[in-house]
Formats: sequence, C-alpha cells, structure tokens
Amino acid sequence: QQQVKQSPQSLIVQKGGISIINCAYENTAFDYFPWYQQFPGKGPALLIAIRPDVSEKKEGRFTISFNKSAKQFSLHIMDSQPGDSATYFCAASRSSNTGKLIFGQGTTLQVKP
Amino acid sequence: DTEVTQTPKHLVMGMTNKKSLKCEQHMGHRAMYWYKQKAKKPPELMFVYSYEKLSINESVPSRFSPECPNSSLLNLHLHALQPEDSALYLCASSLGQVGYEQYFGPGTRLTVT
Repeated sequence: QQQVKQSPQSLIVQKGGISIINCAYENTAFDYFPWYQQFPGKGPALLIAIRPDVSEKKEGRFTISFNKSAKQFSLHIMDSQPGDSATYFCAASRSSNTGKLIFGQGTTLQVKP
Repeated sequence: DTEVTQTPKHLVMGMTNKKSLKCEQHMGHRAMYWYKQKAKKPPELMFVYSYEKLSINESVPSRFSPECPNSSLLNLHLHALQPEDSALYLCASSLGQVGYEQYFGPGTRLTVT
C-alpha cells in the first residue's frame, strides 16, 4: 500500500514531441504528489507538484494530470527538448502522517534532436 | 532562493576512517533530511530532523550518525563504513516536515574503499 509504481522505466522521444510518464498508487491517504527531475551527478530538483483537490496543474511545458478515482497521476512534457533528458521521479506523501515521500522507481527520458 | 548546499562534493574514505558530510540551508526551513541514492534508483530516506530534533530514523546502521547543530545545519558523521555504503548522499530541507515541498542539495558522492 505504500508503493508508487512508475512507468515506463525508460522513454525516448523526438525533439518537439510529448513525453508522458505515469505513476499509480494504492494508498488513498496520499495527498501530495510531487515530480522531481534529476540530471546525472546532481540532486533531484522539484519540478511541479499537485494536491488531490485539482485534476491538472500546468507550469510552462510541464503538466501534471491527476485522476483520483483511478489513483493515477502523470507528467506530460510538451515540446520536449534535448535539455529535458534526465531521470524523472514521481513521489507521494501523506500530510496526516510523517510527510515521508514515497518515490517511484524513476523514468530515464532521452530526447533525441 | 531554494538552495541547499552540501560539502564535500566528493569523498573517498577507507573503511576505518571517520568523516563527516555537511549540509546547509538559509531558507528558514525547519525540517532537514538525509537520503542515500544508489545509481539508477530513487532516493532512500535515512533521517529526518524537525525543529532540530530527530524525527525519523529509518533503521539506519549506527555507522551513520546524524547531527543537527542548529536550524540551518545538518551533519552526517561516518565511521567504519562498508564498500556497499558507496552512494550519492543527498540532503534536503522543507519549511516543515509535513505537507511542504522538499528541496534537495547537489549531493556528496561517497566512495568507500
């Protein structure tokens, strides 16, 4: 129940295309869902986050879609660029508990020029 | 400014050495975290400090000893490590422990020989 399942494990997209990464969770008590972007040798950087009271959040080319009934959320990267090539982690936490982040296993994105 | 700094960037130590990792933030955050990250894996939570008190210890071996001297500083003291402890050690901070965004530092790449 504490797991967050992320897919795909790796993704190759052409420049200008849409990158889509999906995450699913079981624990309905989760109420905070961030996405992190990590470049090789660097720490994860908070990209965008959503709470269950909204179904979509957009920041620039990055959009989170949230489906509470399906217990799924996804990251869409529009107009993908080679500079977006990185590993992306979704995560979930319960604000009624310790706030501990439960991470997905990560998706390695490669955007080809 | 959402900067968390970590020193050193790289550390090589023998199994009998004692060393320390340092983390600093000046964002007024009151929760600070240590994570361990192996290659191609998500970060694993080790410790959480909230208001300078240890809040979570994820059953980490005693050869890792955290310390929070003040609200801006977090140390991780290392002693008698094993080669399998080689990893990227990440520090993070958040405004509070629950329900707030966590911001990660760049990490310390630790190699135990």
